Amino acid sequence: DTEVTQTPKHLVMGMTNKKSLKCEQHMGHRAMYWYKQKAKKPPELMFVYSYEKLSINESVPSRFSPECPNSSLLNLHLHALQPEDSALYLCASSQELIRLVHNEQFFGPGTRLTVL
Amino acid sequence: AQKVTQAQTEISVVEKEDVTLDCVYETRDTTYYLFWYKQPPSGELVFLIRRNSFDEQNEISGRYSWNFQKSTSSFNFTITASQVVDSAVYFCALSEGSGNQFYFGTGTSLTVIP
Repeated sequence: DTEVTQTPKHLVMGMTNKKSLKCEQHMGHRAMYWYKQKAKKPPELMFVYSYEKLSINESVPSRFSPECPNSSLLNLHLHALQPEDSALYLCASSQELIRLVHNEQFFGPGTRLTVL
Repeated sequence: AQKVTQAQTEISVVEKEDVTLDCVYETRDTTYYLFWYKQPPSGELVFLIRRNSFDEQNEISGRYSWNFQKSTSSFNFTITASQVVDSAVYFCALSEGSGNQFYFGTGTSLTVIP
């Protein structure tokens, strides 16, 4: 099983809503990632968890709050988002992150988020 | 400065033609890793290859081949006998040995015309 799953596939939310994006992998990977991707742009790294600890936070606004309940699950909690936060949110996992050096990452299909 | 440059924004080829996607990177680290990913219209990024800085051997996988040249800081990707299913955005990426960031290039959108 080499799949990374993400739910929901699509999400529309208002600026006052609270919602969560979920990601799951069953490859035994110990590093998990959140990326944000705007149309026609490359993915931008947001957060990286290694062995369930937050290892990298790329100065992401606090309205995005990551959580890693266990090594297979990764959540992204959303609160008070802005319309400019509308994007494709991609989750990825890799075998591990050693001294912050990245291995090949395996991506989920993404959640397409629209903030009204 | 851009760490990974993919100068070709869009390329169109006719099916069965060969096509090369260029990638130029910049790093001061002696240890680093280069990657290629494919993103089809469905949106999911697909890992294609990882190459470390100490291995300059070219790689071939079916119709795909990669040419890594440290002298020119390039890691180019060639698709031989292109097919319509190769239509996608292709990203080159860099991970430095000093760690932390994962740098994607801006991507090359490839369209293969039947």
